[in-house]
Amino acid sequence: EDQVTQSPEALRLQEGESSSLNCSYTVSGLRGLFWYRQDPGKGPEFLFTLYSAGEEKEKERLKATLTKKESFLHITAPKPEDSATYLCAVQALRNAGNMLTFGGGTRLMVKP
Amino acid sequence: DVKVTQSSRYLVKRTGEKVFLECVQDMDHENMFWYRQDPGLGLRLIYFSYDVKMKEKGDIPEGYSVSREKKERFSLILESASTNQTSMYLCASRGQGSYGYTFGSGTRLTVV
Repeated sequence: EDQVTQSPEALRLQEGESSSLNCSYTVSGLRGLFWYRQDPGKGPEFLFTLYSAGEEKEKERLKATLTKKESFLHITAPKPEDSATYLCAVQALRNAGNMLTFGGGTRLMVKP
Repeated sequence: DVKVTQSSRYLVKRTGEKVFLECVQDMDHENMFWYRQDPGLGLRLIYFSYDVKMKEKGDIPEGYSVSREKKERFSLILESASTNQTSMYLCASRGQGSYGYTFGSGTRLTVV
């Protein structure tokens, strides 16, 4: 069974204080790992897809990295507008329906 | 940009009512999904569909049914609403050859 665990559940940062969010996963054959951002009361918004260990992707203050067991979302010099819940999800190779299995999310709060 | 539109942002229904949640996507995607999202439980898959008139159960299908009469529309039906179905409902779609989902804005359903 595919499993995704995100830590911490909640993270409070001061503006400009860089940090990382963790996503640990167990899947028999990874097709892809996905990061989403979700603002309160809204649907998740796609950020990144990573396909193989060693891959990195960047977007503004965010950088996602992937190893064989986990992914990190690094946030450099965050701003209050980065406050949101960040979701990680995996898709398995054997998954005929191509469903995503989601982690519980990390709620990030950035204070000015 | 792909748009996934959920017909209602907020709904309040009474116990025992039949409830319809509608989802429409405008990019000719084959795959559509219904999730519910609850604090501490993350996103859980209710049903998905990979073609018109086709449907597959997800992890928590009990108490729900779905309908996909047209490719662009995927409806979630609560046959007899109960208070434990109070939740945020998220619809998503995915095209063949791509891996990530595009989500709608969500419907927050309260059953009283």
